[in-house]
Amino acid sequence: GQQLNQSPQSMFIQEGEDVSMNCTSSSIFNTWLWYKQDPGEGPVLLIALYKAGELTSNGRLTAQFGITRKDSFLNISASIPSDVGIYFCAGLDQFYFGTGTSLTVIP
Amino acid sequence: NAGVTQTPKFRVLKTGQSMTLLCAQDMNHEYMYWYRQDPGMGLRLIHYSVGEGTTAKGEVPDGYNVSRLKKQNFLLGLESAAPSQTSVYFCASSHDRAGDTQYFGPGTRLTVL
Repeated sequence: GQQLNQSPQSMFIQEGEDVSMNCTSSSIFNTWLWYKQDPGEGPVLLIALYKAGELTSNGRLTAQFGITRKDSFLNISASIPSDVGIYFCAGLDQFYFGTGTSLTVIP
Repeated sequence: NAGVTQTPKFRVLKTGQSMTLLCAQDMNHEYMYWYRQDPGMGLRLIHYSVGEGTTAKGEVPDGYNVSRLKKQNFLLGLESAAPSQTSVYFCASSHDRAGDTQYFGPGTRLTVL
């Protein structure tokens, strides 16, 4: 089946640092979504992107829909301890999820 | 407004046993989904429904059946459980089109011995 490759797989950063992660695919998607999952919880939508080249922000989070429609990027600025969790990208038309990026923020 | 709820939260089965996972949503959403989450694999879509009385296969449908008899409920059935079905199962719902926000339930952790 389809697989979205996320990188990095895990990150350990100091509080206050910026974070960048990306998601790539061999197929084109019309929509890219970014989710965050806390331990023992279901994923929660952070940002949705609907157009190639689109740049969208949600507070300290910024995501971009790649021009080729085969990739997307998520940036978190000035990280805080509550940013800890696993971040997933997802591509539509069918819901294909990436393998996740585990983020640890060291106070 | 409870959002999306799942029952049970945990279950242990023996190989060959059957069970049904229940998902309920109180947001009047048309779309409902069942995913499984395995380590290093992200979430994979098992089945989904675009409305009451409809179901469709997702990426990994084999070994599972679903039913959507009522708009608010989406059932996932395992007729003969196998160890490969040990996973965490998430249900989700969304209002309409596939790009709309999906709301996820808290998950069901299933172990098949």
